[in-house]
Amino acid sequence: ETGVTQSPTHLIKTRGQQVTLRCSSQSGHNTVSWYQQALGQGPQFIFQYYREEENGRGNFPPRFSGLQFPNYSSELNVNALELDDSALYLCASSSPGGSQETQYFGPGTRLLVL
Amino acid sequence: AQSVAQPEDQVKVAEGNPLTVKCTYSVSGNPYLFWYVQYPNRGLQFLLKYITGDNLVKGSYGFEAEFNKSQTSFHLKKPSALVSDSALYFCAVRDGGSSASKIIFGSGTRLSIRP
Repeated sequence: ETGVTQSPTHLIKTRGQQVTLRCSSQSGHNTVSWYQQALGQGPQFIFQYYREEENGRGNFPPRFSGLQFPNYSSELNVNALELDDSALYLCASSSPGGSQETQYFGPGTRLLVL
Repeated sequence: AQSVAQPEDQVKVAEGNPLTVKCTYSVSGNPYLFWYVQYPNRGLQFLLKYITGDNLVKGSYGFEAEFNKSQTSFHLKKPSALVSDSALYFCAVRDGGSSASKIIFGSGTRLSIRP
């Protein structure tokens, strides 16, 4: 186990609703990245947070937003849910060593949008 | 722009035989390369990475990968496959010459080891 935890494990929402997913980093890690993994695909980078500020973003619309807290835990918020948002959402934590650092993943939250 | 290609959707190998899972990449700067494994209904588990140095990288569970700069490849290998190696494998790249923080993942290769 990596020490990265995510909640909830599963979630069902309807189109147009809003959702908040949570992630707790591995001890000693102050960088958190979020990924979306659609069925049958590789993870797609959503954004990264370092010291409570966004530190890079992938090709996702603004309705995907995030927060990082002083204890380095993080939230992913998705507004106005669409059917295509159904996916496994993964968070990964890493220590602040730059791009050489390994990202360690949590088990993910599986979101189903009906 | 960064990209990763895993040309095989599936690889099937008999237990005890050597296995190779292929990966090629494209980055503008120095490549930082990673392999992850994903078991059913689980997150990604780190196997190994190449940052610099020896082209042959050894990782967890007996896996290794060889960095080939001229062929822009980073194939995953294991001398003797186990049934428990059956899983989904992802190659990933980060551009070491960029300030961008994102890692780009390949589409994955499903490895099936038959007894």
